[in-house]
Amino acid sequence: DIQMTQSPSSLSASVGDRVTITCQASQDISNYLNWYQQKPGKAPKLLIYDASNLEAGVPSRFSGSGSGTDFTFTISSLQPEDIATYYCQHYDNLPQFTFGPGTKVDFK
Amino acid sequence: QVQLVESGGGVVQPGRSLRLSCAASGMTFRNYGMHWVRQAPGKGLEWVAVIWYDGSNKYYADSVKGRFAISRDNSKNTLYLQMNSLRDEDTAVYFCARDIRSARLDFWGQGTPVTVSS
Repeated sequence: DIQMTQSPSSLSASVGDRVTITCQASQDISNYLNWYQQKPGKAPKLLIYDASNLEAGVPSRFSGSGSGTDFTFTISSLQPEDIATYYCQHYDNLPQFTFGPGTKVDFK
Repeated sequence: QVQLVESGGGVVQPGRSLRLSCAASGMTFRNYGMHWVRQAPGKGLEWVAVIWYDGSNKYYADSVKGRFAISRDNSKNTLYLQMNSLRDEDTAVYFCARDIRSARLDFWGQGTPVTVSS
């Protein structure tokens, strides 16, 4: 089975900061990776699909990149409403759908 | 607008069964694959099961294989999760989610809580 790791597990930042989260797969997963945002008590929200494509309606300050085993999720300028936990998610043709452990983002 | 509304959660003893439902509206339900994803208290997201748009294929996480069954009734726009032989570790909020393509889960329900406890 493919394992997904995320780092850091949590981070603190200020409004306006650039925030970067990484997701690493235990083997090559091409670009089969999505990113979700989850606020406390709420359902997850899809932000990025296929590693780098912005979901419709999602602010352009969110972006994703990478392929193979290493992926990056970036918030270019952190806003108050971005405080949440972010998850990467891999999918394959088995099919299996694996979420990363999550990165909690809060204010410094 | 698309709405997914889960129901059927509750408190159940270990070894017992429970059936969750997810009612869809604002979408052509029969066109989409559907997933169940769960989240244990204070923990991350765990994928549970997926069913193809026409019900022809179903796949499960190893942790629930043989105990849970996903199904759908396209005439009723409803997704189901039959959970048997429940264990303490099945305690979680269960979300249903629409798969627009390749596990791109673009709409989610609000979740229904399941507590397995004696």
